[in-house]
Amino acid sequence: EAGVTQFPSHSVIEKGQTVTLRCDPISGHDNLYWYRRVMGKEIKFLLHFVKESKQDESGMPNNRFLAERTGGTYSTLKVQPAELEDSGVYFCASSQVRGTGELFFGEGSRLTVL
Amino acid sequence: AQSVAQPEDQVNVAEGNPLTVKCTYSVSGNPYLFWYVQYPNRGLQFLLKYITGDNLVKGSYGFEAEFNKSQTSFHLKKPSALVSDSALYFCAVRDSGDSFNKFYFGSGTKLNVKP
Repeated sequence: EAGVTQFPSHSVIEKGQTVTLRCDPISGHDNLYWYRRVMGKEIKFLLHFVKESKQDESGMPNNRFLAERTGGTYSTLKVQPAELEDSGVYFCASSQVRGTGELFFGEGSRLTVL
Repeated sequence: AQSVAQPEDQVNVAEGNPLTVKCTYSVSGNPYLFWYVQYPNRGLQFLLKYITGDNLVKGSYGFEAEFNKSQTSFHLKKPSALVSDSALYFCAVRDSGDSFNKFYFGSGTKLNVKP
């Protein structure tokens, strides 16, 4: 069974440019999450999809960030325009059910904004 | 508010010695607690979790963790460390009453196991 896959693994862009990160969750997992870790700090929640619906987007930093999950399968996270403080590792995770289940994580997309 | 603290940025231990990685948490309700490990250039891998029942939970690769409600702690332990255990470890908590299933993570502890 394929795990959670993320693309790209690393992206280097200049301030003001746009970047789109993609996440393919484990097949059959309705719950999809985006998290971010800024250098040396805690992994912070960004948002949560249940199928194609945004269940909770309270962690999104500002309106420069846009997440979508059309059709309830893969998800994209777009940053436009990117700022220096957006640099970090963006993790996607999925789970089959809510409750006591653990999250399954992708390898992360490292974003460097110069 | 929910939060997790991992007081040590780094833990150094010699191979064969026992290891402990500390974690304390704060939640409004009852906690569900998790440990994840991240090897270089890899994603987070689930190690173990505490949901209910026995305070000592056992997980992958010989790791275990003890839930201590009075101290709000969930320290990760292993009786005999291996060099291959060297990695970044994250503790996470979620509130059992949170219908959104939101996890809160600590800042991570880098474990260095030296031969």
